Amino acid sequence: TQLLEQSPQFLSIQEGENLTVYCNSSSVFSSLQWYRQEPGEGPVLLVTVVTGGEVKKLKRLTFQFGDARKDSSLHITAAQPGDTGLYLCAGEDIVGNEKLTFGTGTRLTIIP
Amino acid sequence: SQTIHQWPATLVQPVGSPLSLECTVEGTSNPNLYWYRQAAGRGLQLLFYSVGIGQISSEVPQNLSASRPQDRQFILSSKKLLLSDSGFYLCAWSPGQGPEQYFGPGTRLTVT
Repeated sequence: TQLLEQSPQFLSIQEGENLTVYCNSSSVFSSLQWYRQEPGEGPVLLVTVVTGGEVKKLKRLTFQFGDARKDSSLHITAAQPGDTGLYLCAGEDIVGNEKLTFGTGTRLTIIP
Repeated sequence: SQTIHQWPATLVQPVGSPLSLECTVEGTSNPNLYWYRQAAGRGLQLLFYSVGIGQISSEVPQNLSASRPQDRQFILSSKKLLLSDSGFYLCAWSPGQGPEQYFGPGTRLTVT
């Protein structure tokens, strides 16, 4: 069974600060995605990374896929209250059968 | 554009009662469909997925079953609910040409 561990589990920071969330596994994934979820709603896809070492930027969010495709990070610059939510990473099985293994989640709170 | 619907949004059911949650997708054909359960503030556990009408794969042994009577309809059922079935149930679809999944708004189920 593939597992994706996210750290930290909870993070509360002041508006304007920078932060990094990590997603780690002992398994290799063919691709990895990040989602953000608001309370009482379904997750919303933010990005997909597919190549080892790949870096993608989405405004103030920077996503990186590890060289070995076993881990990923999400870095937020100058956090804003709108960034508050549950961040989930999800890895696609190396076989490419389009089933996702979801991480344990990071609950982020940005304090105005 | 594609949209995904789930209903009901919330449900309170007594132990031992039956369950039927429905998910429908609009604006696409032959999608992959998924049912997930989410514990409070945590990651998603894949319950069932389907690549076509009548084709259901179960990921975990449990008190639940799934059916796909139509191309864009996915139903989650139980004959007798257990307290442990409480949770947030999410339906998702993917076009089947990549790992990205798109989630519905979810159903909050409380078994009393």
